[in-house]
Amino acid sequence: DAGVIQSPRHEVTEMGQEVTLRCKPISGHDYLFWYRQTMMRGLELLIYFNNNVPIDDSGMPEDRFSAKMPNASFSTLKIQPSEPRDSAVYFCASSLGRVGGTGELFFGEGSRLTVL
Amino acid sequence: DQQVKQNSPSLSVQEGRISILNCDYTNSMFDYFLWYKKYPAEGPTFLISISSIKDKNEDGRFTVFLNKSAKHLSLHIVPSQPGDSAVYFCAASITCNQFYFGTGTSLTVIP
Repeated sequence: DAGVIQSPRHEVTEMGQEVTLRCKPISGHDYLFWYRQTMMRGLELLIYFNNNVPIDDSGMPEDRFSAKMPNASFSTLKIQPSEPRDSAVYFCASSLGRVGGTGELFFGEGSRLTVL
Repeated sequence: DQQVKQNSPSLSVQEGRISILNCDYTNSMFDYFLWYKKYPAEGPTFLISISSIKDKNEDGRFTVFLNKSAKHLSLHIVPSQPGDSAVYFCAASITCNQFYFGTGTSLTVIP
C-alpha cells in the first residue's frame, strides 16, 4: 500500500525563483498537513487541510508561501519568490480522522529544498 | 516560541542499556502526546503515544511516561539496540490536529 508520496525529493534553486512542492496523501485520508523541518525549530506545522479545505494556515511564514488542495489526492506548497532562508526539508503528512482519536500522522519522505 | 522542547540535541548509549529521551512542554492544555522516530532521508514514523489521562504507556521495549504537574514526558527504550539509532521527535496536541513538535534528539546506540 503506497504511503504519502512527495515530489521532488530534492530541489536546488536560485533565490527569487518559484518553487512548487507536491504531495499525494494516503488514499482515504481526510487530513493533510505540511510541515517544515529546520535545525533551530524542529518540525513546524505550516498548514493543514480537512476534506480539501484549509483549516489553519497560521504557520505559513509569509505571503510568499501558499498551499492548495484541489482534490483529495493532491496538494501543493508553493514558495514565490524563494529565499535562502527557505532552505529546509518540507514534509507532507496525512491522517484518517483526528489524530488524537484514531492514530497518528503518516509522513512522506520529505522534499529537501536548497535556495542559493 | 517553542511550546515543546527537547533540550538534548543528542544522546549516546551503549547497546543493551536504557535510553531516556526527555521532552518538556509549556502549554497545560496539551492532552495528547506522541513520539516519532526518524531515520536519515526518511519521513518521521509514529512510535508511541499517550493520553493525558494516563501517566504511562508501554509498547514492547518502548515506554512513555507523562508527568503533567511537571509538564514533562520521557521515552524509555530498554534494552537499546543499534537499530534504534535515529532522531526522536516529541509532539503534543490540544485535542485537535495542530501538533507541536520539538526539535528532536539524535540517539546513537553504540554496539
